[in-house]
Parts: sequence; structure tokens; C-alpha cells
Amino acid sequence: NAGVTQTPKFRILKIGQSMTLQCTQDMNHNYMYWYRQDPGMGLKLIYYSVGAGITDKGEVPNGYNVSRSTTEDFPLRLELAAPSQTSVYFCASSELAGGAYEQYFGPGTRLTVT
Amino acid sequence: LAKTTQPISMDSYEGQEVNITCSHNNIATNDYITWYQQFPSQGPRFIIQGYKTKVTNEVASLFIPADRKSSTLSLPRVSLSDTAVYYCLVGLYSSASKIIFGSGTRLSIRP
Repeated sequence: NAGVTQTPKFRILKIGQSMTLQCTQDMNHNYMYWYRQDPGMGLKLIYYSVGAGITDKGEVPNGYNVSRSTTEDFPLRLELAAPSQTSVYFCASSELAGGAYEQYFGPGTRLTVT
Repeated sequence: LAKTTQPISMDSYEGQEVNITCSHNNIATNDYITWYQQFPSQGPRFIIQGYKTKVTNEVASLFIPADRKSSTLSLPRVSLSDTAVYYCLVGLYSSASKIIFGSGTRLSIRP
């Protein structure tokens, strides 16, 4: 049982490039989340999904897109990367929604846009 | 949305009990209070959760007064490995989008 896995661990992008951050969970959780964490700051919710085919915006969705074709996978797409997207990205999953349910986090992807 | 306020940082020594208080004046009736721990270069990890009064597990205790406008995470006999950032979250039971991680409390434990 690997929990939540993310790839890649590190990536450097040039301004204007695109990339997809991969996230997979093997706990059969319905809910999945993408957060970003800037240096010294807390986590901000980018997008979340309540199940395959259903996604919704979080607090900071601009510049990102997501899709959820399977229960296990929740990729995050960056189009036209900008320096402001330099951050650490965490994917998480939970059995059910909301603060009452424990979120399991992946190890993160450290992204630098130059 | 229920906003939380925590101290930015705290220092303590090995073997001491550490109490981190979180203020959440606008907590709603259905909100649970959850604490996460984050080590450098790792994702946050669930520590403890409660709704009211006191909750204890093998890692920590959580004290919640009757008015629920604050909560205190208590770490007994801390060690160097407890050095981390601790986040207090107040979340609506059924809303995935209403969870807010604040800036957290950076706890440093010294020998």
C-alpha cells in the first residue's frame, strides 16, 4: 500500500513551458486535492475532485487545470508556466470530504519556473 | 470560512510538554478541529482531531473548551524529532473546498 505517490519529485521549467504533475493513490479514496505551498507559507488549495469525472476549483486555480478520469489518478496541468508558479505542489486524498476526514498527502513536487 | 490564528513560532526543550493554542473565533457548529504536522520536504501528516472537550491519542492531546473558539494541541515530553510545523485546521464537515491551512506554528525543540 503506497498511499499517495507523486511524480516528478523535482522539475525546472522555463517560462511559457507546460507540464503535468502526476498524482496516484491506491486507497480507493473518492476525494483528491492539489495544494501549493510557497516558502514559509501554509498550503493553498488549487483544485479538488469528489470522484471520477468531477472536479472543482479551490482557492488559487488560475493557471492550472485538472482532470479525473479514474479514481486513482488526479493529474495537475500547468499551461504557460510563470515564475509565480514556483512552489512545492502536494497532492492529497481522503475517504470523504471536509475537515472531519483525514487527508493523506504525497511527498510533493518541487517546481521551479525560470 | 473559519479562519485560524496560531503563534508563528515556539521553542522548547527535550522532555518538556508543549502546548500550541489555535484561535478560531468564527467556528461553525459543524466544524471539526484538526491538527497536522509537517516536516521539512514532506507533506503534512494528520495528528489529531476533535469536536469538543478532550481527545487523546498515542501522539498528542487536543483540548477544546466549551465555546470551541480555541483549541490547544498538547505534545507530552517532546523530543528533537518533534521539530516541525504544526497546522490547525477548522473544516466544514462536508465541504472539500472549505479547508484552510494557515501559516502554522514552527516548533523548534532543543537538546
